[in-house]
Amino acid sequence: QQQVKQSPQSLIVQKGGISIINCAYENTAFDYFPWYQQFPGKGPALLIAIRPDVSEKKEGRFTISFNKSAKQFSLHIMDSQPGDSATYFCAASMYDGGSQGNLIFGKGTKLSVKP
Amino acid sequence: NAGVTQTPKFQVLKTGQSMTLQCAQDMNHEYMSWYRQDPGMGLRLIHYSVGAGITDQGEVPNGYNVSRSTTEDFPLRLLSAAPSQTSVYFCASSSRWKGTTEAFFGQGTRLTVV
Repeated sequence: QQQVKQSPQSLIVQKGGISIINCAYENTAFDYFPWYQQFPGKGPALLIAIRPDVSEKKEGRFTISFNKSAKQFSLHIMDSQPGDSATYFCAASMYDGGSQGNLIFGKGTKLSVKP
Repeated sequence: NAGVTQTPKFQVLKTGQSMTLQCAQDMNHEYMSWYRQDPGMGLRLIHYSVGAGITDQGEVPNGYNVSRSTTEDFPLRLLSAAPSQTSVYFCASSSRWKGTTEAFFGQGTRLTVV
């Protein structure tokens, strides 16, 4: 199964709060899990990524938590700011012997951070 | 360094018309791909290429053709436009070696078929 399931579809958070977006996958061959951020009218851009040999990766206010046994991973945005308002996509891919494979995207989460 | 450049940014087509969406990258990436983005559907892969002369189908290839004659360019052709192809199209490129898989996206082409 190639699907990546993302929730929630939309999220409203107060400034300074924590935003949490969750993703689940079925294919245990996936070995690369990135998060992309997209602002209106722009293309997605890589925000942070993790491989399954670690359970957490932090970059500034953004943290990926990874649970290999549950086949789930999540994005946490600490101290959320209005400038974080965007659509966030989780994705997954697998190494297929020759090179890293196609990215399979979740359906996206629209985050609004209220001042 | 321009990254990934898509043209046009906006296009309106009549049903049955054909057109080509252009995509060019200047990062010498071997891998390029086309996605379409529809509300509530995320990004769905249309076609991809792992190098010049090599293309393959993604999740939603019907109604689209691609070719890859050079490393830099990866045009997407709509053969006979249909209203179901109204969408935002994104081209992306990446280096696909294990450990360096960041995909760089263009700004998108918003296509409306009437």
